[in-house]
Amino acid sequence: AQRVTQPEKLLSVFKGAPVELKCNYSYSGSPELFWYVQYSRQRLQLLLRHISRESIKGFTADLNKGETSFHLKKPFAQEEDSAMYYCALLQGGSEKLVFGKGTKLTVNP
Amino acid sequence: DVKVTQSSRYLVKRTGEKVFLECVQDMDHENMFWYRQDPGLGLRLIYFSYDVKMKEKGDIPEGYSVSREKKERFSLILESASTNQTSMYLCASSLGKQGVFATNEKLFFGSGTQLSVL
Repeated sequence: AQRVTQPEKLLSVFKGAPVELKCNYSYSGSPELFWYVQYSRQRLQLLLRHISRESIKGFTADLNKGETSFHLKKPFAQEEDSAMYYCALLQGGSEKLVFGKGTKLTVNP
Repeated sequence: DVKVTQSSRYLVKRTGEKVFLECVQDMDHENMFWYRQDPGLGLRLIYFSYDVKMKEKGDIPEGYSVSREKKERFSLILESASTNQTSMYLCASSLGKQGVFATNEKLFFGSGTQLSVL
């Protein structure tokens, strides 16, 4: 069965420090992976998708098929990065996204 | 910009009541979804729909039903609300084409309905 695991419920870093939010997946096919973010009092929204190989707001995520991971990274965290982050896997051949349980990131001044 | 609108931001109901949560999207999207969001459990898919009058069960459909009579509207129904259905409910839509996987697919979410069942 497809599964997305985010091992950290909470992550706290200081402003300017590097941050890495972990995501591991379980999927037999070729995965399509995403990071969604929810800032305080805002809607859940797409941050980035692995297929685009893009950097959004300084965040990047690399798909590592050997380790079945899609960790989200940023070299220098900012206070405005504080939010809830969800890793998600698109089930092949469908439009369904399977979400992890989320990691709440707090960036302290 | 795509707009996904959920009719209520907060809702308080009593155990046993029939509850309707409404969601409307304005971009002619094919796919619509209902998730519930609980702390420590993340987002879990309740039901989704690829087209008008079509519905498919998600991961936790028990205690819920849905209705999609028009393309833009997707309703979540709690036939007899229970306290364990107290949660944040999120509606989402995506462009999609029925049965076709699109690599530029993404979900657009509503702002959520916080339902409390007493």
